[in-house]
Amino acid sequence: EVQLVASGGTLIQPGGSLRLSCAASGFTLSNFGMNWVRQAPGKGLECVSHIGIRGNIYYADSVKGRFTNSRDNARNSLYLQMNSLRDEDTAMYYCVREEPGAFDYWGQGTLVTVSS
Amino acid sequence: DIVMTQSPLSLPVTLGQPASISCRSSQSLVHTDGNTYLNWFQQRPGQSPRRLIYKVSNRDSGVPDRFSGSGSGTDFTLRISRVEAEDVGVYYCMQGSDWPTFGQGTRLEIK
Repeated sequence: EVQLVASGGTLIQPGGSLRLSCAASGFTLSNFGMNWVRQAPGKGLECVSHIGIRGNIYYADSVKGRFTNSRDNARNSLYLQMNSLRDEDTAMYYCVREEPGAFDYWGQGTLVTVSS
Repeated sequence: DIVMTQSPLSLPVTLGQPASISCRSSQSLVHTDGNTYLNWFQQRPGQSPRRLIYKVSNRDSGVPDRFSGSGSGTDFTLRISRVEAEDVGVYYCMQGSDWPTFGQGTRLEIK
């Protein structure tokens, strides 16, 4: 059974840093593209970063230069390093598996709250 | 980025009646590989999104056959033939032909 378990979300002050983790099971992470998708409270969905099978990484303009997406194949895990956090980064962060052109499995999400 | 526009944003439906959600993209979703990567997701209250439909009209395993997707190019539709109470939630279209983008969401409620 495919499972994605995200963790690391918490309350943090503006300007701070946080590292989210996503532990995958039931499949080999390196065989799939993976994404971080966020949802601000009461709002819609935004893809913030993609890491491809070949390790190519892309970011939304809203997080470029501040967030770093990475993958540890040995641990079958995905990470999102978030620096210089802003109020508008407050959201539920989901790790999402991708088959070409479509997101097929979503984790349960981890909540990041940026507030002083 | 490709802009996805859904309508309506709110959809009150009587139990047992049909429902339809429109999704339009700012440019064609036909990929260079010939596929059209238009997907539909359901997000029930307090849950993560769940994919219902991929590549316009392919229903995911376990999705009731009252859900169907159609369309082409820039114009797509999700239909529910007979709404049930468990269908309450927000529905999103999403394109994967370019950098992934989502529609604003359509909130389905029971009248």
